[in-house]
Amino acid sequence: KAGVTQTPRYLIKTRGQQVTLSCSPISGHRSVSWYQQTPGQGLQFLFEYFSETQRNKGNFPGRFSGRQFSNSRSEMNVSTLELGDSALYLCASSFVGVGQETQYFGPGTRLLVL
Amino acid sequence: AQSVTQLDSQVPVFEEAPVELRCNYSSSVSVYLFWYVQYPNQGLQLLLKYLSGSTLVKGINGFEAEFNKSQTSFHLRKPSVHISDTAEYFCAVSDWGNSGGYQKVTFGIGTKLQVIP
Repeated sequence: KAGVTQTPRYLIKTRGQQVTLSCSPISGHRSVSWYQQTPGQGLQFLFEYFSETQRNKGNFPGRFSGRQFSNSRSEMNVSTLELGDSALYLCASSFVGVGQETQYFGPGTRLLVL
Repeated sequence: AQSVTQLDSQVPVFEEAPVELRCNYSSSVSVYLFWYVQYPNQGLQLLLKYLSGSTLVKGINGFEAEFNKSQTSFHLRKPSVHISDTAEYFCAVSDWGNSGGYQKVTFGIGTKLQVIP
């Protein structure tokens, strides 16, 4: 079974631009979570989607948004990029059900904002 | 609110020596606990998890962890490390809710394990 895939793997943008990152979960997984990883802050939870609905959100400004499609693929959008948005963005998928609480992570998208 | 504390940011250890990476958590509800490993330029890979049952959990690559509720700890151990274990290790806690799936997972800041030949 294929793992979680994220595209693109690397991205360079300038301040003020916007960016869209994509995540395809493992087949059959309906929950997708997004995380931001930086050297100073570590892994921080952005949001989680299940069946096209955002169920939970971390403490990030409204510039960070996301959505999930009917095939469970998810996109994350960051508008008006700031230098501090440079990070590794990780997507994780999980199968919802008792005993299936494990998250599986993709390789991440490394975003550099200049 | 829940939180995770990884007490050591870096742990150097000689090859074939034992290692323990420490993790303490705080939560007002029952939790699930995880250890993940991240190799350079890669995503996170699950090492092991504690959901319920036996407090000693065995994972991949010879790692194990023990859940201690009274000390709110979930320390990761390996009796003999290998060069290939050099990576960053993250402890995580989840308060998986009644609705199923993840409500929110909180990660520790990470511990960099450096295995010295």
